[in-house]
Amino acid sequence: SAVISQKPSRDICQRGTSLTIQCQVDSQVTMMFWYRQQPGQSLTLIATANQGSEATYESGFVIDKFPISRPNLTFSTLTVSNMSPEDSSIYLCSADRGNTEAFFGQGTRLTVV
Amino acid sequence: AQTVTQSQPEMSVQEAETVTLSCTYDTSESDYYLFWYKQPPSRQMILVIRQEAYKQQNATENRFSVNFQKAAKSFSLKISDSQLGDAAMYFCAYLIWEGAQKLVFGQGTRLTINP
Repeated sequence: SAVISQKPSRDICQRGTSLTIQCQVDSQVTMMFWYRQQPGQSLTLIATANQGSEATYESGFVIDKFPISRPNLTFSTLTVSNMSPEDSSIYLCSADRGNTEAFFGQGTRLTVV
Repeated sequence: AQTVTQSQPEMSVQEAETVTLSCTYDTSESDYYLFWYKQPPSRQMILVIRQEAYKQQNATENRFSVNFQKAAKSFSLKISDSQLGDAAMYFCAYLIWEGAQKLVFGQGTRLTINP
C-alpha cells in the first residue's frame, strides 16, 4: 500500500504563531484529507484538499484559520494560523486513490503554549 | 446526519483470548462502506478491515473478523487469539459521499491486552 510521510511529527509553538504541516505521498492520489484529533477524542475532518482548486472545508473550520495547499497529486500542506492553546491536537493527513480505502500519515502532535 | 457510535470507551482482554468491539451507525443510504482502524501509541491510523454494505458475507482478515448486521446497522469487530501488539485505540468508521467521499469516525475504544 502507499505511504504518506508527514512532518513535523511534533512541535511546540508559541501562541499567535503559525505552523505548516506537510504531507508527501509516494504515489499519485485522487484526494487528500486533513483531520484533527483533540486529546482523547476521535478524528474530525477539517477539509478535503483538491488538486488544482480550493480546499473544501467542513462546518466549523475556515480557510483563514486552516489554509491548505495542494499543488500536485502527491503533496499537500495544512497551516494552523494564529495558534492558541485550544489548537493543541494531533493533526493527521490522509489520502485515497479512489478505491475507498484511506491511508494515513503518522500524525503531527502540536502543543501550543 | 450519519453518525457512528462506539459504546465501549475501554475494553480489556487476556492475551490469546477473543474480544469483540461494538459499533453501530446511522444512515439512510443502502450502499456504503464500513471500516475498522487501529491507532497504536505511534498515532498512525492503520486499516484493520473493511466491509462493503452490499456484501452479505462478513469480512475477515487473519485474526480479525466482523459481524455485519445491516438491518440492525451494527458492525462489530472480533479479534481472535489476542496479542500484545493488538493494544491500541480502535475506531469504527463509515464512508459517506457528500459532494466528495469522507470518513466519519466513532469515538473509539481503547483495547488493553493483559499478559
